[in-house]
Amino acid sequence: SQTIHQWPATLVQPVGSPLSLECTVEGTSNPNLYWYRQAAGRGLQLLFYSVGIGQISSEVPQNLSASRPQDRQFILSSKKLLLSDSGFYLCAWRARGSLETQYFGPGTRLLVL
Amino acid sequence: SQKIEQNSEALNIQEGKTATLTCNYTNYSPAYLQWYRQDPGRGPVFLLLIRENEKEKRKERLKVTFDTTLKQSLFHITASQPADSATYLCAHLGSQGNLIFGKGTKLSVKP
Repeated sequence: SQTIHQWPATLVQPVGSPLSLECTVEGTSNPNLYWYRQAAGRGLQLLFYSVGIGQISSEVPQNLSASRPQDRQFILSSKKLLLSDSGFYLCAWRARGSLETQYFGPGTRLLVL
Repeated sequence: SQKIEQNSEALNIQEGKTATLTCNYTNYSPAYLQWYRQDPGRGPVFLLLIRENEKEKRKERLKVTFDTTLKQSLFHITASQPADSATYLCAHLGSQGNLIFGKGTKLSVKP
């Protein structure tokens, strides 16, 4: 069966510090991968998606970036965090060729102080 | 632009009653809609998908309807239980294969 992991689960970082969040998927190949952010009182916002290794598309311009160094690994990064980067970050995968269900990871709670 | 809306931020009901949540969409005609459940501090979990040519879909105590005339999907939980308390999200497929979510309705079932 497929599983999706995210770490860390919780992170408190000072403004201006770098960020690296990791997401890995097991039990599937060539998944489409997604990073979402959920801010308090707001819906899920798509940040990045990837259809393959090294292929990243950004939905929202910001100081975040994403990379996919391996088929089942998706990384969200920032060189300098802003207060507004605080939120709940969710990674998700979808089977290639499927237009249906997405499966979400457990999420990372990020607080920027 | 395509919009998907869940107008009720919160819904409080008594245990045993039927909870009905609403999802409305404008400016497009989705081929299908999905419903997810999200517990605090967790990622959304898929519940049901309903296609535009399906009027109704059921899964245990859950029922989803799709009315293309009203541009609306209703999500019902019958014989609700406190364990059903969570935020419920509707979503449709975006142009990049991502999901576009409504803001969700927080359901609280009181014993």
